[in-house]
Amino acid sequence: KNEVEQSPQNLTAQEGEFITINCSYSVGISALHWLQQHPGGGIVSLFMLSSGKKKHGRLIATINIQEKHSSLHITASHPRDSAVYICAPHAYNTDKLIFGTGTRLQVFP
Amino acid sequence: EAQVTQNPRYLITVTGKKLTVTCSQNMNHEYMSWYRQDPGLGLRQIYYSMNVEVTDKGDVPEGYKVSRKEKRNFPLILESPSPNQTSLYFCASSARGLHNEQFFGPGTRLTVL
Repeated sequence: KNEVEQSPQNLTAQEGEFITINCSYSVGISALHWLQQHPGGGIVSLFMLSSGKKKHGRLIATINIQEKHSSLHITASHPRDSAVYICAPHAYNTDKLIFGTGTRLQVFP
Repeated sequence: EAQVTQNPRYLITVTGKKLTVTCSQNMNHEYMSWYRQDPGLGLRQIYYSMNVEVTDKGDVPEGYKVSRKEKRNFPLILESPSPNQTSLYFCASSARGLHNEQFFGPGTRLTVL
């Protein structure tokens, strides 16, 4: 079993829909990163969180440390949100990130 | 502009021909790391560095070397590349470690024939 599981693996949506991407992990963590990888390949950090909830514009990330679960929400999705979203927990007492294999999101006009 | 740069962006080479992929950051970051990304496997860490002259192995270090002689540079060296090192490589940096925002370079697509 992978240490990090993301769901769904693929997601299509119509513009304006509310999107949720889930991340479950099996190890103790210090923090969790959400990354966005655009079709061109570049990777951008969206959030780093260790508790509660963070919001940047239309993006919201939540984490429940006890349940070992994090979610990324996109409100009012737009075609420019089409990308792969990667969950990456920082394993406790290590200098490493454990990467999920990503959720591919396509938003159609 | 704050950024992480990698060179080259694309490289096709042959088995056994030594190569270096450079990584440089202009943010005075202490932590730097190299990852490879392969279809179906996601990102995997090759090596990382907590500061100058401090490097450590990640999950897939075999066939790679790194050095950190200056804070801004963290080159990845393939002494004798093999076809199984064909991959997309990313360098990343952060202020002090994994509790800080990670900044990624644009990626280097390497093909070893």
